[in-house]
Amino acid sequence: EAQVTQNPRYLITVTGKKLTVTCSQNMNHEYMSWYRQDPGLGLRQIYYSMNVEVTDKGDVPEGYKVSRKEKRNFPLILESPSPNQTSLYFCASIKRLDTYYEQYFGPGTRLTVT
Amino acid sequence: GQQLNQSPQSMFIQEGEDVSMNCTSSSIFNTWLWYKQDPGEGPVLLIALYKAGELTSNGRLTAQFGITRKDSFLNISASIPSDVGIYFCAGNGAGSYQLTFGKGTKLSVIP
Repeated sequence: EAQVTQNPRYLITVTGKKLTVTCSQNMNHEYMSWYRQDPGLGLRQIYYSMNVEVTDKGDVPEGYKVSRKEKRNFPLILESPSPNQTSLYFCASIKRLDTYYEQYFGPGTRLTVT
Repeated sequence: GQQLNQSPQSMFIQEGEDVSMNCTSSSIFNTWLWYKQDPGEGPVLLIALYKAGELTSNGRLTAQFGITRKDSFLNISASIPSDVGIYFCAGNGAGSYQLTFGKGTKLSVIP
C-alpha cells in the first residue's frame, strides 16, 4: 500500500531537548516536504527536498533542520525546541506527473513543547 | 506571493443536502487539488484537476477547474455524516510543485 508514515504521532517534550520526527514514503517519490499546521494560519511549508541531498527552505524554516540521505526518508529535526514550535506537523510526499504535482500527506505528528 | 481565498469558512447542512465550496486565487494555477482532513489526521487527496474547464468526479464529489485558471469549486451531493471534516483547496503554478493552500471549509452534517 502506498503510504507516508510519520513517527511519533504524538510527542510532548521540554524546551531545548533535541528531537527528530521521522518521515518515510514507499512511493519512490523524489520530492518531499514538511508542513506545520496552526489554527487560523493553515498549512505552512517548513522545508522541502527535490532529491537526495537536495533541500531548501520553505516559508517558516527558522528553528528546524532537515536531511535527505536516502530517497524514502526525510526527517525533521528540532535542535532546540521552543514552545512556539508546538504544532501539528505533516510530512508530504510529492508525485510528479510531467509538469504536474500531487502531494500525499502523512498522518501527522502533534508536538507539544513545554 | 500567491493567495487563495476559500469560502465559505464553515457550513452546517442537513444530511442529504448538496454542498458547494469554492476557491479563488490571485494568480493562474496549473493544478487544482482538493483535500479532506479529518480531526487529528493528515489531508487526504480527493480530486486533482489539470486543465482549465476540466470537470472531474469521485463518487459523490465533483470538482471543476475554472476557465480563467484562477478558481475551482467542489460539490458534494447527498451529504452523509462521514462527510464531516475540513476541506482544503490547493494549487500550484506551472512547473512548481509547491502548493498554496486555502484556509479550509469546515463542514458539519446534521443527521
